[in-house]
Amino acid sequence: AQSVTQLDSHVSVSEGTPVLLRCNYSSSYSPSLFWYVQHPNKGLQLLLKYTSAATLVKGINGFEAEFKKSETSFHLTKPSAHMSDAAEYFCVVTLFSGGYNKLIFGAGTRLAVHP
Amino acid sequence: GAGVSQSPSNKVTEKGKDVELRCDPISGHTALYWYRQRLGQGLEFLIYFQGNSAPDKSGLPSDRFSAERTGESVSTLTIQRTQQEDSAVYLCASSLSIGESYEQYFGPGTRLTVT
Repeated sequence: AQSVTQLDSHVSVSEGTPVLLRCNYSSSYSPSLFWYVQHPNKGLQLLLKYTSAATLVKGINGFEAEFKKSETSFHLTKPSAHMSDAAEYFCVVTLFSGGYNKLIFGAGTRLAVHP
Repeated sequence: GAGVSQSPSNKVTEKGKDVELRCDPISGHTALYWYRQRLGQGLEFLIYFQGNSAPDKSGLPSDRFSAERTGESVSTLTIQRTQQEDSAVYLCASSLSIGESYEQYFGPGTRLTVT
C-alpha cells in the first residue's frame, strides 16, 4: 500500500538559512512523488515532481528534492529561506487504483520563516 | 487564464441541514477531483470524475455524500443531513486528463463549518 509520512508537523527557520522538510514514503512499486505548497487562503500549488527520471528534482522558487530509494525518502530542501516561503507543505505519493493515479497526501509540514 | 474556482468560500450550517458545494474546473479539463482536508491533516480523496462519469466513489465517507458533474464542466458535492464531523475544507482539483503526467490544479476550497 502507498503511504507517506512527513516527519515534522512544524519547522521554523530564520530568513536566509537552509530549509529541510522531511518525507518518507511507502510504496509497493516504483512511485511518483510530489511536493505541493499551500499558502494561506490560496489553492495548492505543485512545487515539483519525481517520476523515475533524475533523482534530484528541481522545482519552483528554488526548491529541490532528492529521491533516495534506499532510504525511501523524498526530502524537500532550499538553500536560503525567504519570508514568502512561509506556508504548509505536503508530500504526496501516487497510488494506481481504479484506472487512475490517486494522490495520497501526507499530513503536512507548516514552515515558519522568521526575520 | 482562469483557474479552478469554488463556491461558496465559506459555509456555516446547522447540524442536519443539507449543503451543496460547487466547483468550476479549468476549461478543457476532463478530469475533476474532490478532496476533504480536516484541520491539521492532509488531503483525503473523496471522488473523481472523468468527463461526467465517476468510476471511483470509494472515498466518499458515507451515503450522505454524493457528487455529480455536468458534462466536462461544473461539479457539485452534496452533503445531506450534515454532521459536525463533516466540518472541513473541501477542495476541488482538475486536470487535462487522468494519469500521473497530468498535473492537478487545485481551487481555493470551501470551508464548511457544521454547528
